[in-house]
Order: sequence, then C-alpha cells, then structure tokens
Amino acid sequence: TQLLEQSPQFLSIQEGENLTVYCNSSSVFSSLQWYRQEPGEGPVLLVTVVTGGEVKKLKRLTFQFGDARKDSSLHITAAQPGDTGLYLCAGERGGSNYKLTFGKGTLLTVNP
Amino acid sequence: DAGVTQSPTHLIKTRGQQVTLRCSPKSGHDTVSWYQQALGQGPQFIFQYYEEEERQRGNFPDRFSGHQFPNYSSELNVNALLLGDSALYLCASSRITEETQYFGPGTRLLVL
Repeated sequence: TQLLEQSPQFLSIQEGENLTVYCNSSSVFSSLQWYRQEPGEGPVLLVTVVTGGEVKKLKRLTFQFGDARKDSSLHITAAQPGDTGLYLCAGERGGSNYKLTFGKGTLLTVNP
Repeated sequence: DAGVTQSPTHLIKTRGQQVTLRCSPKSGHDTVSWYQQALGQGPQFIFQYYEEEERQRGNFPDRFSGHQFPNYSSELNVNALLLGDSALYLCASSRITEETQYFGPGTRLLVL
C-alpha cells in the first residue's frame, strides 16, 4: 500500500500551458516536501510546507498543503521545457527529522 | 559550500558480492539517511544515522547495514547482492533539529 499517492503518474503538455499535480494520503504528516528529480540525479528540494492550509510560491510554482495536512498540490503556470522532470512529494511524520515517505512521482514532460 | 557528495557514481557487481557506498553530508549537517530508488519508483527509506548510531530503519533486510563516522560521513553496505538490489542509492543529509533533507546525486548500482 502506497502511503502517498501522486497523480497523474505521467503528464505531457505544451510549453505555456498550466498544470496541477496532486499528492494525497490518508495519513497526517507534520511536513511535506516537494522535489524535482532529473534522470540519473538525486532529488532537488523545491519547497517544504508545514502548516495546514499553507501556500508557498516559487516563481511560477505554487504549492499548497491541505488543511488537514494529508494532501498537497503543485501548480505550475506557463510551463517551460526546463520544468521537465520527475516531481516527487515526500511526507515526514513525527516531527523529529524522521524518515521521509515518498510517492512514486509525476513524470512531467513539457514540449517546446 | 559543498553539497552532499556520494561515491562511486556507478558500480557494477555480480550476485552474491558485497558492496560499500559512501556519502559525505552537506557542511553543518549531522544526520545521514539512505534511500533506495528502483527504476520508476520513488525513493524508499533504508535507515538513518545520527551520532554514529542507527536511529530508524525502513523495511529492508539485515543484508543492508550502515555506519556513520565521527566526521558525520556514512557508508552503506549491502551483502549477498541480489538482482533486485539494482537501483539508485541516495544519501540525504540534514540537521537533527530541522526537517529538510538534502540529497546527493546518488550511486547507480547494477547487479548482474
């Protein structure tokens, strides 16, 4: 059973389009992190959300943590080819720098 | 300021052999976590080290063992390699007081 479900699994869009990817769970997390990973590389941290209902913006990327801290979304405005990659969400439980539980990721391809 | 470094970058082994992977954490970090990422999957937590001790362990057999040194660097050892151990092995470092983990580029292990 996957603790964190990410959807969609694959997404292919044209440059300039908007998109939203989702990270859902039945469990509560004390924090949730979003990473982007390129082939053969380690995940690179994009953002950490901690408070239920929190919204964080990183240029064209908007991250939201659900009120109940069980789900999160990532919205990209005017996607660019450089946004291509595997987007992973990871939850942390216990508030003690515990292990991260990852979803399987959303593989995004932005075509020029 | 060097980030998380891992060595080697790639490794090929045969079934039954043993392997040691190495990780140097980001400067100022005292906690090291190891993850296994199979192709098409999100990273899976193996274990975490702090103060040279294993703090938490994921669902991995005893063939997987580790060590942390006084300078906070860490090793991951895998004995009696199986074909299914082929994966990208990721090291992540953090401060014990903070939730955010930073990943290295990983070691790609292929077991033939």
